[in-house]
Amino acid sequence: EAGVTQSPTHLIKTRGQQATLRCSPISGHTSVYWYQQALGLGLQFLLWYDEGEERNRGNFPPRFSGRQFPNYSSELNVNALELEDSALYLCASSRRGQDLHFGNGTRLTVT
Amino acid sequence: ELKVEQNPLFLSMQEGKNYTIYCNYSTTSDRLYWYRQDPGKSLESLFVLLSNGAVKQEGRLMASLDTKARLSTLHITAAVHDLSATYFCAVDGDSGAGSYQLTFGKGTKLSVIP
Repeated sequence: EAGVTQSPTHLIKTRGQQATLRCSPISGHTSVYWYQQALGLGLQFLLWYDEGEERNRGNFPPRFSGRQFPNYSSELNVNALELEDSALYLCASSRRGQDLHFGNGTRLTVT
Repeated sequence: ELKVEQNPLFLSMQEGKNYTIYCNYSTTSDRLYWYRQDPGKSLESLFVLLSNGAVKQEGRLMASLDTKARLSTLHITAAVHDLSATYFCAVDGDSGAGSYQLTFGKGTKLSVIP
């Protein structure tokens, strides 16, 4: 079974630009979660998508947004990038009520 | 707001020794998770603890949950170098069955010295 796949592995952007991160869940998983792992801040919940809809979001500004496609893959968009957005972004997927599986992450660097 | 505190944040121990990592959380929850993260890698699920008094063991690691004290422990027995990694506990304080809006502790970086 293929795991959760994220792309790109690394992304370098300059302040003010937009970043798009992608996630493909495990086959059969309908829920996708995004987490940010920033240095000094730890892992923080960002967004939860299930069956194509945003179900909840963490304490992040609106410039963090995303969507889930009909095939359950997901995209995370970060607009107007700030230096503090530099972090490892982890995507995870699950079936409802089943275990959570994490991808290898996208390391975003904002210069 | 749910808070999750782990201690210690850094742990250097010799091979063969025992030690315990503590995870305290601030609000009622019936689901607690332990993850392992190797440098540059993603999170690997170690244990899911779903009820008061739950105890799970895998190899040299044993996790327990006391929901009344809002405390989970991860006990390491006779540590070996391969256990060197960062360990996170996480609590699902919300949000209904099937959701994983986890609040993580800051992690415990474990170094096992030969």
